[in-house]
Amino acid sequence: DTGVSQDPRHKITKRGQNVTFRCDPISEHNRLYWYRQTLGQGPEFLTYFQNEAQLEKSRLLSDRFSAERPKGSFSTLEIQRTEQGDSAMYLCASSLEGYSWYFGNGTRLTVT
Amino acid sequence: GIQVEQSPPDLILQEGANSTLRCNFSDSVNNLQWFHQNPWGQLINLFYIPSGTKQNGRLSATTVATERYSLLYISSSQTTDSGVYFCAVERRNFGNEKLTFGTGTRLTIIP
Repeated sequence: DTGVSQDPRHKITKRGQNVTFRCDPISEHNRLYWYRQTLGQGPEFLTYFQNEAQLEKSRLLSDRFSAERPKGSFSTLEIQRTEQGDSAMYLCASSLEGYSWYFGNGTRLTVT
Repeated sequence: GIQVEQSPPDLILQEGANSTLRCNFSDSVNNLQWFHQNPWGQLINLFYIPSGTKQNGRLSATTVATERYSLLYISSSQTTDSGVYFCAVERRNFGNEKLTFGTGTRLTIIP
């Protein structure tokens, strides 16, 4: 098992464009989480899935954000009409029933 | 929501020194984990420790759940220990199954 993988590692986009990130969790993990981290801060929760069901969304997740986890495997996080304030590191983690969590390397988004 | 405070915010040590990082939390928790974020941004899981004591090589952690704190001990520090250490907690109840992170302790080990 290669751990949690995220793609791309870096994304530079212009304000107003849409972007999509992908996360592949550890294969036997049923829970998948998305977090956002800005410089000097701890990661902040965005949303999480148990299998294919999205069970909780943060108030940080505006209508421009959407996440999916079809068939309970990989997940995608889409940001529509990006704004400069969306610039951050987007982190994905997975766990088995919420115990030890494992994070991917993250996708660093820069909105110009 | 639950509050997580970590101290100290910054710590600079010589290689070989020992250190203790503290995490205080405001409510009872079902899950507590320590992570190390290396200079490349990767978050590495160090311990799953909602209570009790665990050791892994030069690192050990203790959580006293009844007093709402956890400690991470690093002995004989090496330069590769540099980075930010995060404590994260979960108060598991309906609709709240997620980790809340503290603001971290930035550790710098000088050769």
